[in-house]
Parts: sequence; C-alpha cells; structure tokens
Amino acid sequence: DQQVKQNSPSLSVQEGRISILNCDYTNSMFDYFLWYKKYPAEGPTFLISISSIKDKNEDGRFTVFLNKSAKHLSLHIVPSQPGDSAVYFCAAKRGDSNYQLIWGAGTKLIIKP
Amino acid sequence: DAGVTQSPTHLIKTRGQHVTLRCSPISGHKSVSWYQQVLGQGPQFIFQYYEKEERGRGNFPDRFSARQFPNYSSELNVNALLLGDSALYLCASSPQVGGQETQYFGPGTRLLVL
Repeated sequence: DQQVKQNSPSLSVQEGRISILNCDYTNSMFDYFLWYKKYPAEGPTFLISISSIKDKNEDGRFTVFLNKSAKHLSLHIVPSQPGDSAVYFCAAKRGDSNYQLIWGAGTKLIIKP
Repeated sequence: DAGVTQSPTHLIKTRGQHVTLRCSPISGHKSVSWYQQVLGQGPQFIFQYYEKEERGRGNFPDRFSARQFPNYSSELNVNALLLGDSALYLCASSPQVGGQETQYFGPGTRLLVL
C-alpha cells in the first residue's frame, strides 16, 4: 500500500525554466511533508518542508505547494540549474507518529543545458 | 560541523552471514533512525532510537536489530542475511523526536548479499 506516490519516474527540463515535481498521498493523518534531494553515492539532503496548516512554503528558488483537499503537493524549482539534476523524494509524517517518514519512490530530474 | 557518518561505505556478504553497520549522528543530535533503500524505491523505515531507547520499529523481521550507545552513535545488525537484504542502508539523525523535526542523512552503507 503506497501511501506516498510520485508517479513520474523522471522529468527533463531545460536550464533556466521551471521544474515542477509532483507527489500524491492517501493518508489524511499526514500533517508534515518534506522534499529531499539525492545525488548518486550520497544520502538524501533536506530541501524544504511544509506543515499541513499551510498551503505554500518558499525558500529561495524552491517553493512547495500543498493542496490538502486533493492530497497533492508539488515542488517548484525556478530557475532550474544544472546542479539541480538529482533524484527528488517526497516524504510525509503522520501527526500521531513521532518517528516514521513515509517516502515516495522518487523522481529523477534532468536539467538540460 | 561534521554531518552524519556511516561505516563501512560498501560491504559484500554471503547468504546466512551477519552484518553490523555503524552510524555517528551530528553532534548534539540525540535521535537516530535507520532506513533501507532498495534500488528504484524510496527509503523504508526500520528503526528509530532516542536516548538509547527504541522509539519506533518498521515492518522488518526480527533478524534486524539495532541499539544506540551513550554517545548517541548507533549500530544496525542484520542476522541470517538473505539476497533480498541487498540495499543501501541509510542512517539519519535529528536533535529530538516528535513534532516536525527534520532528519539529516548520512551517505549510506551499500550492502550486497551474494
């Protein structure tokens, strides 16, 4: 039972344009969502998070949008840079859980020069 | 400040053997979590420890065990290795548990079981 889904295994975007990565979830108990970026041979690196009481959080070139009614969140990267090429994971945490992050399968983002 | 460190970086074992993976959290972090990442999937939660006590366990068999030491470092042990245990094992640390704590990950230990 996949509670967090990233339906696009890969995404190719031109340098300088906007990258939009999507994530859907099924569990209404999730109240905190995170995006991580992962390069090969490295561990995931925290990018940005959002609480379920908000619908938008921005940090520099990265913005996360949350649509609770649709159980959908998205990560926008503007403008996209070559160093953004990586695998992006969406993760979620339940409000009644102190520990467990539930992860999507990841989307590989390729930024074309 | 050093990030989360893990050792070894790579490991090859045969079926039935035992393995111990090690993790040192970021200085000041008291919580350590372990995840298994199989190729093409997101990380799967195995354990979380806080102040040397197990705070959470994922859906993994009893062959998997862990502990946390007084200096907050941690070990993950896997007994009777199976081919399906081949994966990247990730350790993450956070200052506390609960709420909206961000977890910071180490580079992982890649385990291959032959």
